[in-house]
Amino acid sequence: GENVEQHPSTLSVQEGDSAVIKCTYSDSASNYFPWYKQELGKRPQLIIDIRSNVGEKKDQRIAVTLNKTAKHFSLHITETQPEDSAVYFCAASKRDDKIIFGKGTRLHILP
Amino acid sequence: NAGVMQNPRHLVRRRGQEARLRCSPMKGHSHVYWYRQLPEEGLKFMVYLQKENIIDESGMPKERFSAEFPKEGPSILRIQQVVRGDSAAYFCASSPGRTGEQYFGPGTRLTVT
Repeated sequence: GENVEQHPSTLSVQEGDSAVIKCTYSDSASNYFPWYKQELGKRPQLIIDIRSNVGEKKDQRIAVTLNKTAKHFSLHITETQPEDSAVYFCAASKRDDKIIFGKGTRLHILP
Repeated sequence: NAGVMQNPRHLVRRRGQEARLRCSPMKGHSHVYWYRQLPEEGLKFMVYLQKENIIDESGMPKERFSAEFPKEGPSILRIQQVVRGDSAAYFCASSPGRTGEQYFGPGTRLTVT
């Protein structure tokens, strides 16, 4: 079955700098790649997603890139702010199948 | 449009008791997924249901755990004879279709004493 690896497990960046979180997946049939943000004690919230027919998608300070050949996808957050501190999960799924999550990246934004 | 609802938000059970967790999907969503999250860990898929059907239960422990999504009413995750290792946050998510984005409920935090 699908396996999603996520790195790093913890990331600290200075406020205003950029943060990059990387994921790999194993099943070449996967075609949907969402990213979720989870603040302490709260539910995971979908922040951006990408499907396999595009290579990049951007929404204000957040962007996601997808390399289908290498089976890599990444989350980029620019101009980081304190409210970006949270755990971020990448995930992958294929048509008519469940979503498999990575283990998460704890992002700390340093003042 | 109300989001995904889960209740109770917190549940305390003694070892050996039963736990029932409820999930009402977003309006218009007919697909429900249950996940378990241990402290400081990721989301582990448990089961995927549509109305009156279990589509994928590959993440469910073989014993003590069951799930249903009846024609009327919420989806229910049932854990019989709970043990301390069952203590976790249980999230459900719903989607409008099989490949649609999933929206999560607030979770039920189960504590087994």
